Amino acid sequence: QVQLQESGPGLVKPSQTLSLTCTVSGGSISSGSYYWSWIRQPAGKGLEWIGRIYTSGSTNYNPSLKSRVTISVDTSKNQFSLKLSSVTAADTAVYYCARVIGSSWYSNWFDPWGQGTLVTVSS
Amino acid sequence: EIVLTQSPATLSLSPGERATLSCRASQSVSSYLAWYQQKPGQAPRLLIYDASNRATGIPARFSGSGSGTDFTLTISSLEPEDFAVYYCQQRSTFGPGTKVDIK
Repeated sequence: QVQLQESGPGLVKPSQTLSLTCTVSGGSISSGSYYWSWIRQPAGKGLEWIGRIYTSGSTNYNPSLKSRVTISVDTSKNQFSLKLSSVTAADTAVYYCARVIGSSWYSNWFDPWGQGTLVTVSS
Repeated sequence: EIVLTQSPATLSLSPGERATLSCRASQSVSSYLAWYQQKPGQAPRLLIYDASNRATGIPARFSGSGSGTDFTLTISSLEPEDFAVYYCQQRSTFGPGTKVDIK
């Protein structure tokens, strides 16, 4: 079955750019009509959707983060990536990648998820 | 933007009891609602999508119902592994969660 694994630096300095990669295994990122998504969760808090990408490169972003977020896909490596610029302490969170199942924007369901990676923003 | 409200915030129950969790949307979302379970230190897991469809591998004790603005997740008989936080979700929005803990 498909599995996802996040990777990237666990510590980022304020004002810098957070960069994470999600590697998909157990299947091709290009097979099926799936979007691929990033979601984050500050410690002890709820879930926040960041954005998603189709393998064609089409993206949707959370309006509250849109000015700072870029999600890209590399089908040759079976990976998709997140860049979040100008980070502050408020961006400290566990970042998850997930596959989006469902046939429309209304059916934006996440399954499966990666295990998550903690990113701390601190000098 | 749609706002999701979950109640109660915490539900204290004993194993074997029935759990009823509520999710209310600020406007109609038809049947486009999902439920997730999250245990400490783990990623969320999809339980229910399209309001009432169980995801692959989810036990039959989990069921979802509702449409429009009011939705319910029911766990018919709590198992020890069901004590967790449950989130509802629609498109880009998650509810604040309901914690089901042991009484």
